[in-house]
Formats: sequence, structure tokens, C-alpha cells
Amino acid sequence: NAGVTQTPKFQVLKTGQSMTLQCAQDMNHEYMSWYRQDPGMGLRLIHYSVGAGITDQGEVPNGYNVSRSTTEDFPLRLLSAAPSQTSVYFCASSYSNRGYNSPLHFGNGTRLTVT
Amino acid sequence: AQTVTQSQPEMSVQEAETVTLSCTYDTSESDYYLFWYKQPPSRQMILVIRQEAYKQQNATENRFSVNFQKAAKSFSLKISDSQLGDAAMYFCAYSTGGGADGLTFGKGTHLIIQP
Repeated sequence: NAGVTQTPKFQVLKTGQSMTLQCAQDMNHEYMSWYRQDPGMGLRLIHYSVGAGITDQGEVPNGYNVSRSTTEDFPLRLLSAAPSQTSVYFCASSYSNRGYNSPLHFGNGTRLTVT
Repeated sequence: AQTVTQSQPEMSVQEAETVTLSCTYDTSESDYYLFWYKQPPSRQMILVIRQEAYKQQNATENRFSVNFQKAAKSFSLKISDSQLGDAAMYFCAYSTGGGADGLTFGKGTHLIIQP
């Protein structure tokens, strides 16, 4: 059981480049989300999805797009990378959005550097 | 908006001793959940313990326990018999009962275990 799989583990981009961070889960979870973690900060929510075809913005959505065409996959797209997007990105999923009974399962993160 | 505050950027404890990490939060909700996550150097986010706001009884998971003071909006984590493997960043997090807006994290406490 792989859980939540994020690829790549590391990525370096130049300012203005675009890329997609991949996230897949094999637990049939309805709820998926993306967080970013910056030094000295906790994780902050970028976008989330409560099911296939449904996405919504979190606390820091600017500069990122998401889509949810299947239950398993929730890619995060950087349209035009900026140095401010240098961060560690975590994908997380849960059975539902009711936090206690379905705690979040996190991927191992992607470290992104934008030069 | 909800906020989570961890006032101790770093804590140090001798192996086998007990340490308490502090967390306070601000919310106007009555139905919510609280979590402690551990992040070792591997970067993985690991759920340590969780608490439902409506439950008076403090949650316990082996050597980990919480002191939940709802009126004071305080949620501290006690680690008993500290082990070298407990060294990590610890994040306190909050979630509303039915919302899909994910977790609100504190900035974390870096726990050092002295051998």
C-alpha cells in the first residue's frame, strides 16, 4: 500500500518556467489537498478538493492551479514560477473532510527551488 | 480566521525525561479538532495524537498525552520517557468540525533530545 505518492522529490526551476507537481493516492480518499511549508512557518493550505471534479482555494492559492479529474490524482501546477514559490510542498489526503475520524495522510514532500 | 500559536521555537530535554510542548489557538467555533504532528528530518509528517473538542477526557497514545483546556484554548503535548527518536519538529494543528478548509498549523517547536 503506497499511500500518498508525490513526484518529484526535488526540483529546480528558473523564474518564469512552469511545471506540475504530481500527487497520487491509492486509498480511495475523497479529500485531497496541497500545502506549502516555508522555513519558520507551519504548513499553509494552497488548494483542496472534496472529490473528483471539485476544487477550491485555500489560504495561499495565488500562482497555483489544480484539477481533480480522478479520485486518485491531484496535480498542482505552477504557471510561471517565482522565487517566492521556493518551498517544500506536501500533498495530503483523507477519507473525508471530517478531520478527527479521517486524519490527513501526507506524502513525503517535494522540495522546489526557483532561481 | 483561526490561528494556532506555538510559543516555543525550540525545546531541549534529557533522554528519559518528560517534556511539554505548548500550543494555544483562537477560534469562535464550538466543534473542532486538534492535532499534534511530528516531522523528523526525513520531512515526513506523522500524526502523533488527536483530540475532539467536545471530549473532556485528554487523549493519550502510549508515551504521548495532551492537556486540553478548552476554556483557555490550550492544547499542550506531553512526551514522557523521551527517546532519541522523538527528536523532530512538532506542529500543533486545528481543524473545524465539518469544513473542508484543511488544517491550520502553528509554526512548530523544534525538540532536541540530549543523550
